Amino acid sequence: QQQVKQSPQSLIVQKGGISIINCAYENTAFDYFPWYQQFPGKGPALLIAIRPDVSEKKEGRFTISFNKSAKQFSLHIMDSQPGDSATYFCAALEGNSGYALNFGKGTSLLVTP
Amino acid sequence: DGGITQSPKYLFRKEGQNVTLSCEQNLNHDAMYWYRQDPGQGLRLIYYSQIVNDFQKGDIAEGYSVSREKKESFPLTVTSAQKNPTAFYLCASSMGLADTDTQYFGPGTRLTVL
Repeated sequence: QQQVKQSPQSLIVQKGGISIINCAYENTAFDYFPWYQQFPGKGPALLIAIRPDVSEKKEGRFTISFNKSAKQFSLHIMDSQPGDSATYFCAALEGNSGYALNFGKGTSLLVTP
Repeated sequence: DGGITQSPKYLFRKEGQNVTLSCEQNLNHDAMYWYRQDPGQGLRLIYYSQIVNDFQKGDIAEGYSVSREKKESFPLTVTSAQKNPTAFYLCASSMGLADTDTQYFGPGTRLTVL
């Protein structure tokens, strides 16, 4: 079953706007939460990641917000640009398992000029 | 250039045939992975390997087989037993299996069964 639930499935944002993608999980053993960006026909690439001991992490225009009590985390893309148009996947990893990245189903983001 | 290469980019197969997808990395990574990606489904783990000559089943291993004879190479065979093989296949590698070991993905192989 899907261990990480991601929404929305698709998102259209105007250039300069804020894109927000949300993810939720149930497994409290998850302790590492990466976001991947994938362009059509390419493999995903790590964008930004967070651990549950912090509530927010920012890298450039990309910010992860993490709510441990609610078991939710979200990606915010500030000043969205057409070049940000891609599919975004959230994922979660259980530290003891090491390998098993549990991916959300992805969000297709389109930033219009 | 360091990275992960997958070949071919597109692959067509007739029903009932086995087919092997290639994955090579020159990142000196110990761990390698195979994922399957279907539209709207995210990525699902097929097999992973921590070291040479060792590999483990992921969530959807049925109908697939792998080998890890060399550190750089982790080929995936899609057998005729895989009921719905048409998908985008992604290979990844990481330094190890620690959660902070970023998984780097190859460009993928799109397999279509005719």
